[in-house]
Amino acid sequence: AQTVTQSQPEMSVQEAETVTLSCTYDTSESNYYLFWYKQPPSRQMILVIRQEAYKQQNATENRFSVNFQKAAKSFSLKISDSQLGDTAMYFCAFTPPFQKLVFGTGTRLLVSP
Amino acid sequence: NAGVTQTPKFRILKIGQSMTLQCTQDMNHNYMYWYRQDPGMGLKLIYYSVGAGITDKGEVPNGYNVSRSTTEDFPLRLELAAPSQTSVYFCASTPGTHRGVRNEQYFGPGTRLTVT
Repeated sequence: AQTVTQSQPEMSVQEAETVTLSCTYDTSESNYYLFWYKQPPSRQMILVIRQEAYKQQNATENRFSVNFQKAAKSFSLKISDSQLGDTAMYFCAFTPPFQKLVFGTGTRLLVSP
Repeated sequence: NAGVTQTPKFRILKIGQSMTLQCTQDMNHNYMYWYRQDPGMGLKLIYYSVGAGITDKGEVPNGYNVSRSTTEDFPLRLELAAPSQTSVYFCASTPGTHRGVRNEQYFGPGTRLTVT
């Protein structure tokens, strides 16, 4: 079975600092997509960043970047220069074939002044 | 584009009642999904559809039914509501292609359902 594990239920960081959220997954597939979604208190699911497994280069989107280690099946999210608006639940997700997303249980991130 | 819209935003049901959660997307996406999110948890797939007329079960389909008569609409039906169905329900869509390109999913704003 495909699984996604986020081992950090909660994380705290101060404004302007850097934080890294962990994610590991289990699959026998060689080609797949990985995503980080942000869910603020409004409950809306917002795509933060995506990574294609066949690309070795780590994806970046402004202050957000990933460390994708395919052999280790690891996909961590780094948030630089944290802002108060980054406070949210963050979900790691993986797409095996047939485009069914598998989600981790989430990491609650609190950014404090 | 409005994207993915869901109605209603909130609903309280009594045990045994029925209701339909509506989901519409205006992006001409082939693939549509229904998820539920229980408190403090991630999303679990209820049903999905790869195109009009085609639906399939996800991880937690019991107690739900779906239909996909058009590309735009993917309603989720609860026939006999139970307290275990208290959750937030999200509809999502993605373009998909015949080559199986994996695109990100676009989510609706969610429906908070309480069954008492």
